[in-house]
Amino acid sequence: GAGVSQSPSNKVTEKGKDVELRCDPISGHTALYWYRQSLGQGLEFLIYFQGNSAPDKSGLPSDRFSAERTGGSVSTLTIQRTEQRDSAMYRCASSGGRGIITDTQYFGPGTRLTVL
Amino acid sequence: AQTVTQSQPEMSVQEAETVTLSCTYDTSESDYYLFWYKQPPSRQMILVIRQEAYKQQNATENRFSVNFQKAAKSFSLKISDSQLGDAAMYFCAYRSALMIKAAGNKLTFGGGTRVLVKP
Repeated sequence: GAGVSQSPSNKVTEKGKDVELRCDPISGHTALYWYRQSLGQGLEFLIYFQGNSAPDKSGLPSDRFSAERTGGSVSTLTIQRTEQRDSAMYRCASSGGRGIITDTQYFGPGTRLTVL
Repeated sequence: AQTVTQSQPEMSVQEAETVTLSCTYDTSESDYYLFWYKQPPSRQMILVIRQEAYKQQNATENRFSVNFQKAAKSFSLKISDSQLGDAAMYFCAYRSALMIKAAGNKLTFGGGTRVLVKP
């Protein structure tokens, strides 16, 4: 596609429910990143995929958070048993992964998650 | 671990004037990349400018330029001839150049500076 897309754009859920957030990277991009942005703060790294593997999961805040990527393309971030502190904007980014100089990350519009 | 600090929560500038946003970072690495991203009300994250640490020359993109001071670990953004469309949150970000480490790929962001442009 022309850019990174994410769905849904907004998600309101009740505490304790599970949610799935989807990211479609730019076609051909091998690297995919998930970030979280709480209100009034900068983006916080969650997880990085190169192809279908995740060499860096260091930013996932708890074992309630997981992510997968299939076919080297679409990625899903799953939050189980959501808590109110999970409310934030979740952003996905992708990059070509072919070389450092051209490895600019392009961001999607984000999914705003609200846990009631 | 690297940290990025933006000490100005909000800056106001008159249309057509110049505003400078500050960013400092902490790292023990010698090779890295620095970025400024713009986040307008539309929620997009738009890359404004990028600087490679091994380059002494400051990056410039039209009305946007940086003052990169490697020894001081400072990376400020100057917006010249400010326009109403420049109103947004601006984030400074750091990325290691060490591709051999998985952690080298992630961006570390500052807390952001909101820019208000007065007509």
